[in-house]
Amino acid sequence: GNSVTQMEGPVTLSEEAFLTINCTYTATGYPSLFWYVQYPGEGLQLLLKATKADDKGSNKGFEATYRKETTSFHLEKGSVQVSDSAVYFCALMNAGGTSYGKLTFGQGTILTVHP
Amino acid sequence: NAGVTQTPKFQVLKTGQSMTLQCAQDMNHEYMSWYRQDPGMGLRLIHYSVGAGITDQGEVPNGYNVSRSTTEDFPLRLLSAAPSQTSVYFCASGMTGSFGNTIYFGEGSWLTVV
Repeated sequence: GNSVTQMEGPVTLSEEAFLTINCTYTATGYPSLFWYVQYPGEGLQLLLKATKADDKGSNKGFEATYRKETTSFHLEKGSVQVSDSAVYFCALMNAGGTSYGKLTFGQGTILTVHP
Repeated sequence: NAGVTQTPKFQVLKTGQSMTLQCAQDMNHEYMSWYRQDPGMGLRLIHYSVGAGITDQGEVPNGYNVSRSTTEDFPLRLLSAAPSQTSVYFCASGMTGSFGNTIYFGEGSWLTVV
């Protein structure tokens, strides 16, 4: 079956530091990959996505590249801000058919950014 | 443009009580689903629906019922609440087919069973 493994948190950084949150996956076929973000007390928001190998998703300064050879989708940001403090979830979805919409999530990584 | 709307946002139940979490979307999405979020476990799929009148079980369906009488609504029913159902519940929706594979989430419902 599908599975997603994220680096263990929590992650604590100073403002303007470089961020990497590792994500690796196991899946059949060619899944789509996602990063969702959950700010304190709020729901999940789609941060970025990639639907095929070597695609790069990007949004709000965050980037992640779909690496099929290493089954990875690591999240990066060059300079984090206090407002980036949140929980980040890596997820995958198999395309089409009865698998549509069934997201498999990692356990989430808590990020705290200090001024 | 409301997106995915969940109610209530917070609820406290006693063991054995029943309740319904409401979910509505105004994007004409065929696909709707419910997840629960527990610490250290990410989100897990409870039930899902690919259209009105069609529902199916996800990873953790026990103790929950769903129905889909309209495209817009997908309520989740707890038949007899148990402390193990204390969690944060998220409703989600998305388009099927070639129109994209993005799933949109509601803001969550925090449920405590005492």
